[in-house]
Amino acid sequence: EVQLLESGGGLIHPGGSLRLSCAASGFTFNTYAMSWVRQAPGRGLEWVSAISGSRGSTNYADSVKGRFTISRDNSKNTLYLQMNSLRDEDTAIYYCVLNGDSWGQGTLVTVSS
Amino acid sequence: AIQLTQSPSSLSAFVGDRVTITCRASQGISSALAWYQQKPGKSPKLLIFDGSSLESGVPSRFSGSGSGTDFTLTISSLQPEDFATYYCQQLNSYPLTFGGGTKVEIK
Repeated sequence: EVQLLESGGGLIHPGGSLRLSCAASGFTFNTYAMSWVRQAPGRGLEWVSAISGSRGSTNYADSVKGRFTISRDNSKNTLYLQMNSLRDEDTAIYYCVLNGDSWGQGTLVTVSS
Repeated sequence: AIQLTQSPSSLSAFVGDRVTITCRASQGISSALAWYQQKPGKSPKLLIFDGSSLESGVPSRFSGSGSGTDFTLTISSLQPEDFATYYCQQLNSYPLTFGGGTKVEIK
C-alpha cells in the first residue's frame, strides 16, 4: 500500500524559510516522478512543483520559482520542498503527490507575523 | 501557462440527478486531463485520468470525455456521497495547472 507522510509544516514569519518532507513507502520510489500541490484555506488546488524519478529534473509554478526548491533522496525514499522568502500568500496545506492517484494527508504551512 | 476554466463553479442537484461539469483548456492538451473529487478536510481523490479512463475502484457512474480543449465529467446518477468539490488538472505541459473547482451541493 502506498503511503505518503508529510511533515515540517508550521507557523513561520514572512521572509522565513521552512523545509517540508514527505516520507514515501509501498512503491519503488526512485522510479516515479513526485509533486507538491498546495491548497490555501478555503481555496482551490494549486500545483507547486514536480521532480522526475531518476534524473531529478525539476519544474515549478511561476508563483514559487526562485524561492522554492524541490529535491529527493532516493536512498531515504523521501521528497523535500525547501521554501525560502515565504510570503503570506504561501499559507496553505501542502500535499505530496504520486502520479495523481496517491496523496498524503498534507501539512499546514502558515506564514504570518 | 495553460489555463483551465471549469464551469459551473457551483451547482445544486438532487440525489439521482445527472450532473455534468465542464473544463476548458486555453490551448490543446490532447487527452492529458485528470478529474479529482475532494471532500471537506480530506485529500483529493483521483477519479478519471487520460481524459476518460476510470481510476480503479471509482464507481462507474463517473465518466469523463473530451480531448483537445473541451472536457466533461459526468455523474450519471448523483449519490449522497458524491457531494463534494471537483477539480480538473492538465498534465500536458509544465507548469501543470488545475481548474478552479466545482462545488456540488444538495438541493
